[in-house]
Amino acid sequence: DAGVTQSPTHLIKTRGQQVTLRCSPKSGHDTVSWYQQALGQGPQFIFQYYEEEERQRGNFPDRFSGHQFPNYSSELNVNALLLGDSALYLCASSPRIQSGTFGSGTRLTVV
Amino acid sequence: KQEVTQIPAALSVPEGENLVLNCSFTDSAIYNLQWFRQDPGKGLTSLLLIQSSQREQTSGRLNASLDKSSGRSTLYIAASQPGDSATYLCAVFDTNAGKSTFGDGTTLTVKP
Repeated sequence: DAGVTQSPTHLIKTRGQQVTLRCSPKSGHDTVSWYQQALGQGPQFIFQYYEEEERQRGNFPDRFSGHQFPNYSSELNVNALLLGDSALYLCASSPRIQSGTFGSGTRLTVV
Repeated sequence: KQEVTQIPAALSVPEGENLVLNCSFTDSAIYNLQWFRQDPGKGLTSLLLIQSSQREQTSGRLNASLDKSSGRSTLYIAASQPGDSATYLCAVFDTNAGKSTFGDGTTLTVKP
């Protein structure tokens, strides 16, 4: 049984560009949450998707947006990338709203 | 607003030593508390999850305790090994907010 799958594993983008990160939840999970982990810090909650709608949102600007598909997979989109967006982006899935199973993350570097 | 603090930020011990990592949180209305391990450049590995109704959980050389009333948790590592070197993160889950709040971690180095 596959766990949470994130793609790509690493990504390098130029400041001002847009990026899309993808997450496939663990089988049987219908809720996906996204976190940003800057170097040397703990993960920070970005937002959560359930039933294809954003249910909760952390303190992140509108440049961060997401989507959940009918198969429960999810995308995180970041527009107008800043150097400060460089981080490890983690996806967690869960059955309904509870603490989740984390993927291995996508390492985004903005240059 | 939930805040999670982990002390110390870094810890270096000789191999074989028993050690305790600390985690404190400001809002006791949590659903559960989870301890994670993170190796450099890698994702999170879940070590132990304690439900709010539980007092402790054990897995091998690891034991985690939870005291909701005081807003504290400890992760006890027995007979530390160099392979235990990593960053250890604690996270509390709030059902109402639908999210986990993490501490910034304790970076552990176990010297051979």
